[in-house]
Amino acid sequence: GEDVEQSLFLSVREGDSSVINCTYTDSSSTYLYWYKQEPGAGLQLLTYIFSNMDMKQDQRLTVLLNKKDKHLSLRIADTQTGDSAIYFCAVEVGDTGGFKTIFGAGTRLFVKA
Amino acid sequence: DAGITQSPRHKVTETGTPVTLRCHQTENHRYMYWYRQDPGHGLRLIHYSYGVKDTDKGEVSDGYSVSRSKTEDFLLTLESATSSQTSVYFCATTTGDSNQPQHFGDGTRLSIL
Repeated sequence: GEDVEQSLFLSVREGDSSVINCTYTDSSSTYLYWYKQEPGAGLQLLTYIFSNMDMKQDQRLTVLLNKKDKHLSLRIADTQTGDSAIYFCAVEVGDTGGFKTIFGAGTRLFVKA
Repeated sequence: DAGITQSPRHKVTETGTPVTLRCHQTENHRYMYWYRQDPGHGLRLIHYSYGVKDTDKGEVSDGYSVSRSKTEDFLLTLESATSSQTSVYFCATTTGDSNQPQHFGDGTRLSIL
């Protein structure tokens, strides 16, 4: 079945770049998402990339997709303490008959001042 | 997000008691989901609904039941709560179309003593 894997923890210093990695198994994935979860809250959509793109940039966020290796990454430039959160990779699979989203276990990002 | 309200936000109860969690949405989304979030497991799908009175099981459905009598409400019931069901429960909704990310509520923290 479909699977999405992420490392569980990442620690960086304030001002450095953070790179959160994700691998997935379903090659028919259409859209790939990054969600952010802050303490005591639900998941909020951070950004997404369509499967025919290699890269998407949005301010401090850069998403890279390597379809051949089924590898997705999220780079946060100039990481701030406010970026401390859990980041979930999610992959959409399916067709016009119906779509579903598979979530990774989440990567907890610690930002040290 | 997307007008999703979960109630209650916190609950403490005893083993063997019935518990019902409510998810209410104002976005008229067709699909609604219940997840549980546990350390090291990320999000695991319990049940989902693809329309009024249309529901299906997720990967961890044992011990849970759901009902959807109106588009806006999706109820999760633990018929006889066990300590293993102590978790944070999230409701999510989406239209079900491609590239329509799921929108999440803020979660219910449930403790079974």
